[in-house]
Amino acid sequence: QQKVQQSPESLIVPEGAMTSLNCTFSDSASQYFAWYRQHSGKAPKALMSIFSNGEKEEGRFTIHLNKASLHFSLHIRDSQPSDSALYLCAVGGGRALIFGTGTTVSVSP
Amino acid sequence: NAGVIQTPRHKVTGKGQEATLWCEPISGHSAVFWYRQTIVQGLEFLTYFRNQAPIDDSGMPKERFSAQMPNQSHSTLKIQSTQPQDSAVYLCASSWTDPSAETLYFGSGTRLTVL
Repeated sequence: QQKVQQSPESLIVPEGAMTSLNCTFSDSASQYFAWYRQHSGKAPKALMSIFSNGEKEEGRFTIHLNKASLHFSLHIRDSQPSDSALYLCAVGGGRALIFGTGTTVSVSP
Repeated sequence: NAGVIQTPRHKVTGKGQEATLWCEPISGHSAVFWYRQTIVQGLEFLTYFRNQAPIDDSGMPKERFSAQMPNQSHSTLKIQSTQPQDSAVYLCASSWTDPSAETLYFGSGTRLTVL
């Protein structure tokens, strides 16, 4: 059964700094990797996703995937207070998405 | 498009009572999912439907939980004989077709509190 783990559990970053989040998964047959963001009291919303090894950039957000290491990450450049939220990684491959337990990010002004 | 609609937003039940949660997916989406979110366990998969047919209920506690999708516009999650450990936010989500490789759109959830 797929295991998805995130690190760190929580993170405080100063405004303008880089935020880096990690996700590991256990099923090497996984095919789809995504990050979701959930502001307090709100629904999770998809940020970005990737299928193939490598890097994908969208605005301030970059996702890295290394399937051989069973690892992918999210990097947020120039972090803003509005980026403060719970970040969830998700892994898919033939069935419903399985989510990690999340990383709580607080961006301090 | 109003997005995924879940009702009620909050539900309080006494131990042993029944709770029914409702979800209206985005029109045109063929896949509907139920997840449960707690601080300790995070976002746990419960079950999903594709074109109203149950596909995977591997995350459902077998004895007291059941889910149905009687038509393409709504799904229900029923919990019989609720227990305090069932307290959580129950999230419904929908997607166009392939649940393993595309964006899920979540509703705002139903917060269930079992006293």
